[in-house]
Amino acid sequence: DSGVTQTPKHLITATGQRVTLRCSPRSGDLSVYWYQQSLDQGLQFLIQYYNGEERAKGNILERFSAQQFPDLHSELNLSSLELGDSALYFCASSARTGEGNTIYFGEGSWLTVV
Amino acid sequence: AQSVTQLGSHVSVSEGALVLLRCNYSSSVPPYLFWYVQYPNQGLQLLLKYTSAATLVKGINGFEAEFKKSETSFHLTKPSAHMSDAAEYFCAVSDSSGTYKYIFGTGTRLKVLA
Repeated sequence: DSGVTQTPKHLITATGQRVTLRCSPRSGDLSVYWYQQSLDQGLQFLIQYYNGEERAKGNILERFSAQQFPDLHSELNLSSLELGDSALYFCASSARTGEGNTIYFGEGSWLTVV
Repeated sequence: AQSVTQLGSHVSVSEGALVLLRCNYSSSVPPYLFWYVQYPNQGLQLLLKYTSAATLVKGINGFEAEFKKSETSFHLTKPSAHMSDAAEYFCAVSDSSGTYKYIFGTGTRLKVLA
């Protein structure tokens, strides 16, 4: 158990819909990362927050957005869903932001768009 | 930009045989390097990490990796494979460009044959 909690674990929704994935980082961790894992794209970095502020952006679509709240939990919002958005979405956290910090992954949220 | 390349998307070894999973990195500055393991239906778990303290890094479950600057490599080894080692393994580099995002390789699926 990494200490990173993600909900829901599984989600099935229809195209065009909107979903919210939630993440609670490890106790004391200030930095949260979101990754998307799919068969064709591998593990793709989406976005990072540190203590409530966006720090880095990766291959995140405009239909997707995220935020980190004052209690440090984070949400990833996915809207106008398409079939290709079906993937495993990981949240990870680390104590600080910066080189060499170990990031700890949650077990992921499986999103299936039908 | 930094990157990692994992050679071999699938590797099969016999139980008791040497495990060698290859990772080469690209970086203009000394990198931080990581190996993560992903068991089926689980998140990524840190195996070991290189932070320049020692070139030979020992991790969990009997795995180790050696940082070779001249070869820009960080290969993962284990002297004797166990059935429980069957999983997907990811090499990652910490981006030192200021964004601090972690760049993951495409993964190597290890199969252990009885």
